[in-house]
Amino acid sequence: KNEVEQSPQNLTAQEGEFITINCSYSVGISALHWLQQHPGGGIVSLFMLSSGKKKHGRLIATINIQEKHSSLHITASHPRDSAVYICAVIERGGADGLTFGKGTHLIIQP
Amino acid sequence: NAGVTQTPKFQVLKTGQSMTLQCAQDMNHEYMSWYRQDPGMGLRLIHYSVGAGITDQGEVPNGYNVSRSTTEDFPLRLLSAAPSQTSVYFCASSYWTGGNTEAFFGQGTRLTVV
Repeated sequence: KNEVEQSPQNLTAQEGEFITINCSYSVGISALHWLQQHPGGGIVSLFMLSSGKKKHGRLIATINIQEKHSSLHITASHPRDSAVYICAVIERGGADGLTFGKGTHLIIQP
Repeated sequence: NAGVTQTPKFQVLKTGQSMTLQCAQDMNHEYMSWYRQDPGMGLRLIHYSVGAGITDQGEVPNGYNVSRSTTEDFPLRLLSAAPSQTSVYFCASSYWTGGNTEAFFGQGTRLTVV
């Protein structure tokens, strides 16, 4: 079973700061997902990565397959970015769903 | 598109009661799954299905049943609710797993068993 570790568990920052959330996993994967969960509970997919880097607005996700590591960056952070960010992976050939990290609780203060 | 529709959003059950959590998707996704989310833990897989008529157990299947009679629907049944099943439940779907396909989640069901 893949072990997915996220850091930090909790992060409080000021508006405008550059944010980095890290995810590491123990077993080779076919894809990694970054998800966002706002208070009230809905989960939204931000990125799916199998290599390299993706950018969407102020969000950037990178993955290093050899290092088994991914990062999610938020530039020019805003209070509306406050949420739980969750990393999840699918193992190579895995048909039995995603394995999730415990999430990073991010608070952006005005 | 409605995406993944999960009902109900909230539910309180008494110990021993049964209920069904509904999940429907309109994206013609083959893969559907149920997860539970508990404080301090990542989401954990309960059951999943890779297509109509095919289901399998995940990491924490005890106390839950599923069926997949159509591509669109994947209900989760609690046969005899226990306080340990108090949790937030999420249904998810994707075109396929094991590959590079986006996952879509329902809004969640917050279940309390008293």
